[in-house]
Amino acid sequence: RKEVEQDPGPFNVPEGATVAFNCTYSNSASQSFFWYRQDCRKEPKLLMSVYSSGNEDGRFTAQLNRASQYISLLIRDSKLSDSATYLCVVNGVYFGTGTSLTVIP
Amino acid sequence: GAVVSQHPSRVICKSGTSVKIECRSLDFQATTMFWYRQFPKQSLMLMATSNEGSKATYEQGVEKDKFLINHASLTLSTLTVTSAHPEDSSFYICSTGATTNEKLFFGSGTQLSVL
Repeated sequence: RKEVEQDPGPFNVPEGATVAFNCTYSNSASQSFFWYRQDCRKEPKLLMSVYSSGNEDGRFTAQLNRASQYISLLIRDSKLSDSATYLCVVNGVYFGTGTSLTVIP
Repeated sequence: GAVVSQHPSRVICKSGTSVKIECRSLDFQATTMFWYRQFPKQSLMLMATSNEGSKATYEQGVEKDKFLINHASLTLSTLTVTSAHPEDSSFYICSTGATTNEKLFFGSGTQLSVL
């Protein structure tokens, strides 16, 4: 069983749409959770950390559900520049498969 | 500025040759370096974890004799792909962080193409 499972998509959404990604993890003792963004053949860049209380940064909201062992990322009012692959990371080093997002004009 | 410097960014080599990839931490001491491989349209797969002054820990299914990792100093970790074959062609990237509960700092990645 993989440490982290993530729907690869692709998600194709129009500008302005709201889109959500989920990521499930297998280790119930996992302590740290992050969302990264990766553009094609570039290094991943940290988008936001995920806390038990949830956190929000502008159009982005991250949630953690320990009971069901998943984390989520919500993007509101999608911009063309949001097109990328979104990766969840559990315990600092284990990446999900990544979810591809394309925002369409 | 970059926290981790990775070189080379791109390398093309003949089958059977060895390729060394370097990752240097800038302005801080990286006791641990993580090495990943990413095939097209796939996620980053952790290959191994290197610790300064000790042997690297390899993930299941990764050949330690094929992917040699050296972490001789607190600022330099290297990955050598020995006797590279076309199936080793991939994007290799390193990262480091103070602990596994903190965010990672990534190198810029190395695109390896084996002919």
